Amino acid sequence: GAGVSQSPSNKVTEKGKDVELRCDPISGHTALYWYRQSLGQGLEFLIYFQGNSAPDKSGLPSDRFSAERTGGSVSTLTIQRTQQEDSAVYLCASSFDGTNSYEQYFGPGTRLTVT
Amino acid sequence: TQLLEQSPQFLSIQEGENLTVYCNSSSVFSSLQWYRQEPGEGPVLLVTVVTGGEVKKLKRLTFQFGDARKDSSLHITAAQPGDTGLYLCAGAKGNTPLVFGKGTRLSVIA
Repeated sequence: GAGVSQSPSNKVTEKGKDVELRCDPISGHTALYWYRQSLGQGLEFLIYFQGNSAPDKSGLPSDRFSAERTGGSVSTLTIQRTQQEDSAVYLCASSFDGTNSYEQYFGPGTRLTVT
Repeated sequence: TQLLEQSPQFLSIQEGENLTVYCNSSSVFSSLQWYRQEPGEGPVLLVTVVTGGEVKKLKRLTFQFGDARKDSSLHITAAQPGDTGLYLCAGAKGNTPLVFGKGTRLSVIA
């Protein structure tokens, strides 16, 4: 079946503009995660959705970052008033449920460049 | 604070050599996962270790979880160019989000 897909694959934007990144998880997966990967860094957790529960937003670096998940499926990560330090690869992952017993399946990521 | 320290950060070896990479922490994890990430792609899970002292083998890759569940190692025997990539370890504590290390970037030269 289809894996996790993300769009766009690359995004170049000017400082101060807003961007929206999209994630389509694997059908039937109730848990969805967003991570940020900067050059030379590991994966930084941003936000986690599990079913209909309130999302865990503890990893969002500032109030310029927000995410939503509509209908328990597709998710959008929005970055407002982008800054150069927001440049990174944004990875989305989904899993069967939110317990760490289940494998997280990652999408290919969106490479964001803020000029 | 980086909860998971991976070493070495970079490793370049010749095809056929053996290597070990390490993932260390002062924290105890309920389980630990190893992922491999290739350029332009997301990480792919290789293995999950759960029990202290556990050893798992995946072809030429051997994974070990420390007895105290604070550290792990990945040993590759007779490395191949196809093993090239970024190796990430990730620790789980209950149902909180996984904590990832910064990774070891491995280059295997033919």
